[in-house]
Amino acid sequence: QLQLQESGPGLVKPSETLSLTCTVSGGSISSSNYYWGWIRQPPGKGLEWIASVYYSGTTYYNPSLKSRVTISADTSKNQFSLKLYSVTAADTAVYYCARSKEGRPPRPLAYWGQGTQVTVSS
Amino acid sequence: DIQMTQSPSSLSASVGDRVTITCRASQGISNYVTWLQQIPGKAPKSLIYAASSLESGVPSRFSGSGSGTDFTLTISSLQPEDFATYYCQKYNDYPVTFGQGTKVEIK
Repeated sequence: QLQLQESGPGLVKPSETLSLTCTVSGGSISSSNYYWGWIRQPPGKGLEWIASVYYSGTTYYNPSLKSRVTISADTSKNQFSLKLYSVTAADTAVYYCARSKEGRPPRPLAYWGQGTQVTVSS
Repeated sequence: DIQMTQSPSSLSASVGDRVTITCRASQGISNYVTWLQQIPGKAPKSLIYAASSLESGVPSRFSGSGSGTDFTLTISSLQPEDFATYYCQKYNDYPVTFGQGTKVEIK
C-alpha cells in the first residue's frame, strides 16, 4: 500500500529556506513507472503545482517559483525533497507530496500525502 | 501556460440532486484532465483521470466527459459524503495547472 508522508518544520522565518521531505513507503522512487511532485495550497485557496522529479533525475518547475525552488530525490532513503528559498508570508500553505499514476505518459499526479502545514512568520 | 477555468465557483444542492461542474482549458489538451475531490482538512483525492476514466474504488455516480478544451464532472445523485470542493487538473505537459475549484454545499 503506497504511503507518502511529508515532514519538515512547521514554522519558517521570512527570507529563510523552507525544506520538506516526502518519505515513500509501498513503492520505490527509483521506479521508471512513476514520477513524484510537490503541490501547495495557501489557506482558503486552491491548489498550486510546485515541481516534479523523475527517476532519471529530470526535474520540472512551476515558472512562477522556478527561481526559488529545488526538488531532488534520494533513492537510498526512498525520499524526495523540496527546498524553497527566500520565503515570504505568501509561501504559507499546506504542502503536499504526491506520486503519479503508472502507465504511458503523460500521467497525472494522483496519489497524495496527507499534507503538512508550513507557516512563514518571524 | 494553459489555464483551466472552472465553473461555477460554488453551488448549493440537495441530496439526490444531479450536479455538473465544468472546466475549460485555454488551449486544446486532448483528454489529459483529472478531477479531484477535497474534503475540508483532507488531502485531495483523485476521482477521474483521462477525462472519463473512474479511479478504482470511486462510486459510479461520478462520471467525467470531454475532450479538447471542455470538460465536465457529473455527480448523478449527490450523497452526503460528496459535499466537498472539486478541482480539475490538466497534465498534458508542464506546467501542471488546476482549476480554481468548485465548492459543493448543502442546500
